[in-house]
Amino acid sequence: QVQLVQSGAEAKKPGASVKVSCRASGYRSKSYDINWVRQATGQGLEWMVWMNPDSGNTGYAQKFQDRLSITRDISIGTVYMELSSLRSEDTAVYYCATSPSGRHLRYFDYWGQGTLVTVSS
Amino acid sequence: DIQMTQSPSTLSASVGDRVTITCRASQSISTWLAWYQQKPGKAPNLLISKASTLESGVPLRFSGSGSGTEFTLTISSLQPDDFAIYYCQQYDSYSFTFGPGTKVDIK
Repeated sequence: QVQLVQSGAEAKKPGASVKVSCRASGYRSKSYDINWVRQATGQGLEWMVWMNPDSGNTGYAQKFQDRLSITRDISIGTVYMELSSLRSEDTAVYYCATSPSGRHLRYFDYWGQGTLVTVSS
Repeated sequence: DIQMTQSPSTLSASVGDRVTITCRASQSISTWLAWYQQKPGKAPNLLISKASTLESGVPLRFSGSGSGTEFTLTISSLQPDDFAIYYCQQYDSYSFTFGPGTKVDIK
């Protein structure tokens, strides 16, 4: 069965960076992407970025392009999302989620448990 | 970016009721639409993809329809486990936007 395991909660000051990890296992096909989706408390869902762990190909939401980085460590099957220049509005639960690879397949079939990132002075 | 809207924002219903949620896209997205259910403190759960394809393990009381700009999620007979927030999401193009959600609560 598919499992996405994320790193633990983080508390950061404004202007700092945060790096959250996601390790995926059990996906039945090798053709999947890892996405990051965030949700501020009591708010809706916002897609941020995707990466194919095999090829390293990525795609970013324009809103985050300047301060978001997604990387991978193939040796341990882990994808990392790093958001810089944090502000209070970045306080949210950050989820990693898988989607099948390919055009018109960016729906999110499996989700991690979420990582709360709190930005406060 | 394509904007997604949902109506109603909150829906009060009783067990056994038939419930319909509407999702609209700001431009045509063909059938590139997914529906999710989210319960408090949990990650969303994919219910439906491609507007009407039920995911494995999702009860048959859930169904989806629509194409272009207007879509519906229907729960044929609401069960206690169905009280949750429901989101639609377009995956026709960047930035794969979600609707604001519809909260289904107990009447």
